[in-house]
Amino acid sequence: QKEVEQNSGPLSVPEGAIASLNCTYSDRGSQSFFWYRQYSGKSPELIMSIYSNGDKEDGRFTAQLNKASQYVSLLIRDSQPSDSATYLCAVNPGGFNKFYFGSGTKLNVKP
Amino acid sequence: DAMVIQNPRYQVTQFGKPVTLSCSQTLNHNVMYWYQQKSSQAPKLLFHYYDKDFNNEADTPDNFQSRRPNTSFCFLDIRSPGLGDAAMYLCATSRGTSSYNEQFFGPGTRLTVL
Repeated sequence: QKEVEQNSGPLSVPEGAIASLNCTYSDRGSQSFFWYRQYSGKSPELIMSIYSNGDKEDGRFTAQLNKASQYVSLLIRDSQPSDSATYLCAVNPGGFNKFYFGSGTKLNVKP
Repeated sequence: DAMVIQNPRYQVTQFGKPVTLSCSQTLNHNVMYWYQQKSSQAPKLLFHYYDKDFNNEADTPDNFQSRRPNTSFCFLDIRSPGLGDAAMYLCATSRGTSSYNEQFFGPGTRLTVL
């Protein structure tokens, strides 16, 4: 059973703060990891992908991967109300390009 | 801009009345996926195509079928929709089968079953 776990939230942060979203996965052999943002009633939008241990930064977003701990996180710096959405973690365990999704963490950024 | 398009965006059908959802892509990607997503749940993979090679998930009900007549188009047929099939249906594409390929989603079709 390949599981991806996320805290459902909601995670509430004030505008300008750092939001930290976490994800754990069960398959130790997983090779690639993705963060999607999903606004209410909309489809998932790819934010970041990360494949190697460590940090990967893109603008206000930083993805962090620790394969030994089977843990991936997304940091959002200078959070804005427009960042309020559900953030989905997706894991590819390897082999065919099949993703396993977490149920998402709902983020509320308060003005 | 290259993109994934889904039609219609909203579909209302009656219990048991067949419905077809469509997806097209201008990304020229080899792989196309269909997901079902219910409120506050993770997207659930129904099936995918690698080119014309069809791959069904083991727990996808027989009520769901798919066709991919060419690289650009893929259809989801629900033969006899039940109330439990009301959901957002998401089409996604990826370039290939490498583990490092990203998946890109269309806007989705919201299906209501009356």
